[in-house]
Amino acid sequence: QKEVEQNSGPLSVPEGAIASLNCTYSDRGSQSFFWYRQYSGKSPELIMSIYSNGDKEDGRFTAQLNKASQYVSLLIRDSQPSDSATYLCAVKIWEKLTFGTGTRLTIIP
Amino acid sequence: KAGVTQTPRYLIKTRGQQVTLSCSPISGHRSVSWYQQTPGQGLQFLFEYFSETQRNKGNFPGRFSGRQFSNSRSEMNVSTLELGDSALYLCASSQTSSRSYEQYFGPGTRLTVT
Repeated sequence: QKEVEQNSGPLSVPEGAIASLNCTYSDRGSQSFFWYRQYSGKSPELIMSIYSNGDKEDGRFTAQLNKASQYVSLLIRDSQPSDSATYLCAVKIWEKLTFGTGTRLTIIP
Repeated sequence: KAGVTQTPRYLIKTRGQQVTLSCSPISGHRSVSWYQQTPGQGLQFLFEYFSETQRNKGNFPGRFSGRQFSNSRSEMNVSTLELGDSALYLCASSQTSSRSYEQYFGPGTRLTVT
């Protein structure tokens, strides 16, 4: 079992709809969770961090964490073509960040 | 506040050569982590330096090494380059409090080994 797992996609979502990205992790002791966005040819950009169970909202982005289910998700409301990118889930495991392989998201105009 | 900077941005080397990459963290950040990103393997952790000491290390051969200076700038060295070392090398800096581990990435160095 991989330490951090994501569906590689591609995930296609119509413009204006909600995009839902999911991530599961293996280490129950993990405490810190992050979502990064990476455009093609660019480096990852931190968009959300979450540390407690529940939802955390920042603009059009909502991160959701469920430690009992070892599950973290990212919702993007009112999806825009500029949201088309690869989204990486990262989990702090044993004092280092471990990344999933990313989900490629395409917003269809 | 300036972001993470990496030099050079692009590099072409020949098999068997060695290469040194440089990273300057965000001002005030004391931790620097290095990653290798390839299409097949994704983001792979190389090592992390904090206060000039290597704090964590990934599963890479000894040809990959690094160091950190007193001003938190870091260098990564790869010796005896192989074709498979062609990748995007990213460094990320963080403040590394016990609570937050938010890492901010530099633009990366694209290394091509021929």
